[in-house]
Amino acid sequence: DAGVTQSPTHLIKTRGQQVTLRCSPKSGHDTVSWYQQALGQGPQFIFQYYEEEERQRGNFPDRFSGHQFPNYSSELNVNALLLGDSALYLCASRARGFQETQYFGPGTRLLVL
Amino acid sequence: QQQVKQSPQSLIVQKGGISIINCAYENTAFDYFPWYQQFPGKGPALLIAIRPDVSEKKEGRFTISFNKSAKQFSLHIMDSQPGDSATYFCAASGGMNYGGSQGNLIFGKGTKLSVKP
Repeated sequence: DAGVTQSPTHLIKTRGQQVTLRCSPKSGHDTVSWYQQALGQGPQFIFQYYEEEERQRGNFPDRFSGHQFPNYSSELNVNALLLGDSALYLCASRARGFQETQYFGPGTRLLVL
Repeated sequence: QQQVKQSPQSLIVQKGGISIINCAYENTAFDYFPWYQQFPGKGPALLIAIRPDVSEKKEGRFTISFNKSAKQFSLHIMDSQPGDSATYFCAASGGMNYGGSQGNLIFGKGTKLSVKP
């Protein structure tokens, strides 16, 4: 049973560019959340998708957008990249229901030059 | 505004010793408190979690102690081993969110644990 998978593992972009990160949830999970983890910090919640819609959003600008597909996989898009967007981007999935745990993928390391 | 405060920032423990990491939260609506372990280059992995209706939960060498009135919870790692060397994050979530009881997780800043052989 595959866990949460993310691609790519590493990415280098320049300021002003756009990036798309991808996530496949754990089998049986239908809810996907994205987190940004800056170096030496804890993960920060970006947004959560369920039934192909954004359900909750953290304190991130509109440059951060996402999408969820019918197979529950998800994309995170970041436009107009800033140096401060350099971070590890984590995807977490869970199944709906009480006391369900979020499982994290290995992350995508984004470096903005 | 940081809603979950974690301490210490780093911790060095001898093999076989007890590692203790503390967290404090502000939002009384939180009702789920997990601890995650993260190794370099990896995503966080769930270690153990607790809800406010119990004061302690133990799984193997890992124990969470929870003090609802003080709004504090802690992770105890008994018989610490060099393989436990990692960064540990406490987190919290709460309130009824769409689709279930867990919404987004609010993380502490992490504690880097080093267990010396």
